[in-house]
Amino acid sequence: DVKVTQSSRYLVKRTGEKVFLECVQDMDHENMFWYRQDPGLGLRLIYFSYDVKMKEKGDIPEGYSVSREKKERFSLILESASTNQTSMYLCASRITAAGGGFTEAFFGQGTRLTVV
Amino acid sequence: RKEVEQDPGPFNVPEGATVAFNCTYSNSASQSFFWYRQDCRKEPKLLMSVYSSGNEDGRFTAQLNRASQYISLLIRDSKLSDSATYLCVVRMDSSYKLIFGSGTRLLVRP
Repeated sequence: DVKVTQSSRYLVKRTGEKVFLECVQDMDHENMFWYRQDPGLGLRLIYFSYDVKMKEKGDIPEGYSVSREKKERFSLILESASTNQTSMYLCASRITAAGGGFTEAFFGQGTRLTVV
Repeated sequence: RKEVEQDPGPFNVPEGATVAFNCTYSNSASQSFFWYRQDCRKEPKLLMSVYSSGNEDGRFTAQLNRASQYISLLIRDSKLSDSATYLCVVRMDSSYKLIFGSGTRLLVRP
């Protein structure tokens, strides 16, 4: 089974802190994603990466950065946490199938971040 | 207008009922379609892909209407364990991005 593991289930941070959310997948997937999920808004893409050291902005990248130094690990960084970044953060990974198609996305269990 | 729109529900149905969810998408370039299921406080998991000809998996049937740009999910003989949020997901051709609807909540009561 594919396993996507996020470093924390629950996190409480203070406004202005630098926050690191870590995600590791064990299936050699090229593509990794960070989403945040808020009531009524669904999942919104923050950043994604299709290869080591490659990154692309999603729909809401402001206030976030990412790092992909190794294939299995994709980190989300909140440079200076703010209360409006309180949310559920979900990491996902997906392989590029033969012919350029895509398989299903596998999600980590989520990190519920509260910024106070 | 959101790229993928779903009725948020909740749909509250008795066990054994048949329930249908619709989802509309705004971009006609959308090429791949999926239904994901998300249990309370858990991560989303793929329920089924949606093919142009429609497809069935046990009690679940997915349909795609490209002309009207909507996708449907039909659940027959609802079980208590079907209670969850169902997420409609769309991908455009040549894009890495999956675009999620905000989900439809289903509650199946005894």
